[in-house]
Amino acid sequence: GQQLNQSPQSMFIQEGEDVSMNCTSSSIFNTWLWYKQDPGEGPVLLIALYKAGELTSNGRLTAQFGITRKDSFLNISASIPSDVGIYFCAGQQMDSNYQLIWGAGTKLIIKP
Amino acid sequence: GAGVSQSPSNKVTEKGKDVELRCDPISGHTALYWYRQRLGQGLEFLIYFQGNSAPDKSGLPSDRFSAERTGESVSTLTIQRTQQEDSAVYLCASSLVPSGGGGELFFGEGSRLTVL
Repeated sequence: GQQLNQSPQSMFIQEGEDVSMNCTSSSIFNTWLWYKQDPGEGPVLLIALYKAGELTSNGRLTAQFGITRKDSFLNISASIPSDVGIYFCAGQQMDSNYQLIWGAGTKLIIKP
Repeated sequence: GAGVSQSPSNKVTEKGKDVELRCDPISGHTALYWYRQRLGQGLEFLIYFQGNSAPDKSGLPSDRFSAERTGESVSTLTIQRTQQEDSAVYLCASSLVPSGGGGELFFGEGSRLTVL
């Protein structure tokens, strides 16, 4: 099925570094969502974006809905050990009121 | 309960056997979703329930897969004659309203299925 292009696939960073990841698509989305999945858990919603150009923060996390409506990015500032996990983007298209399209995830690993 | 509950958390089965996975959504959530997550991959949509009805079953991979929901609560995903390719984590999520209406999805911890 259709997937979003999420990059990078994985990131090895030092504690305290800033992190950036993004999702792109050839299709337009009217909602972009960012989820985090910890090992053995289901994904948990971090940030939801509903308008093109929208920039939203949640603590050290900031996400933006691209003005073309075909992309979104997530930034994490001053990473800490509990930030490790897999981050997923998900998008909602206008022709569906229930089906989200998911990226393959970005695995964040913090080097000791 | 406070969150979405799934059982079993782990299931190991032999190829050809049938398995049944259960999901208890958050009370009052009318929308319920099943996803499949293969190792290192994103979420693959399987089926969506609004109340007891499933308007879209097109995500089910084959006719060996079926799902039902009763009483606008518990849902079961059944996989008949399991194959090794069915090995994955099966995630259930519920939301108060469909995601297109702004409904946030709350996920369970998943059922990890291993087919030997």
